[in-house]
Amino acid sequence: DVKVTQSSRYLVKRTGEKVFLECVQDMDHENMFWYRQDPGLGLRLIYFSYDVKMKEKGDIPEGYSVSREKKERFSLILESASTNQTSMYLCASRGAQPDTRTGGAVDGYTFGSGTRLTVV
Amino acid sequence: GENVEQHPSTLSVQEGDSAVIKCTYSDSASNYFPWYKQELGKGPQLIIDIRSNVGEKKDQRIAVTLNKTAKHFSLHITETQPEDSAVYFCAASALGFGNEKLTFGTGTRLTIIP
Repeated sequence: DVKVTQSSRYLVKRTGEKVFLECVQDMDHENMFWYRQDPGLGLRLIYFSYDVKMKEKGDIPEGYSVSREKKERFSLILESASTNQTSMYLCASRGAQPDTRTGGAVDGYTFGSGTRLTVV
Repeated sequence: GENVEQHPSTLSVQEGDSAVIKCTYSDSASNYFPWYKQELGKGPQLIIDIRSNVGEKKDQRIAVTLNKTAKHFSLHITETQPEDSAVYFCAASALGFGNEKLTFGTGTRLTIIP
């Protein structure tokens, strides 16, 4: 199975701190994504990356940046954390993965378990 | 850009009954429509998806239908069980058009009443 691993499940940071959220995938996927999830708003795309050193802004990039130095790792950076960035952050990768029903491969997205960040 | 609307936001059904969740999308270039189930404390898990070249897909108790003309798609869960209780998200994407990102609906909290 494709694994997307987020380094922390829970994180508490102070206002103004620089925060790094790490995500690693093990399927050699080119596409990786960072979403934030808030009640009533669903999942909103922050940034995504098509390949190493490439990045694209999503729908809500303000206050965030990203880094993709290696294909398997996609980092989300909060340059100066603020209380309105308290949220659940989800990383995903997209590409070929085993289809357990057919025994072949299917193109799809896999999400990590999320990092719940609280900024105080 | 793409906009996905999802209804209802909450849904309660008796165990054994069926549940239906509906989504509409705005971008006619979208061709991939997955559904995710999110349980408490976990990331979203893909439960079924459909591509624009088919109108319906089934996997045991779960089915998804797609109406490209009307730009809507629906998730159907039959013979619901307590373990179906979760938050469900629909999403849309235009795979292969250089826009690989998923746009999500706002989610439906499904509660199965024993």
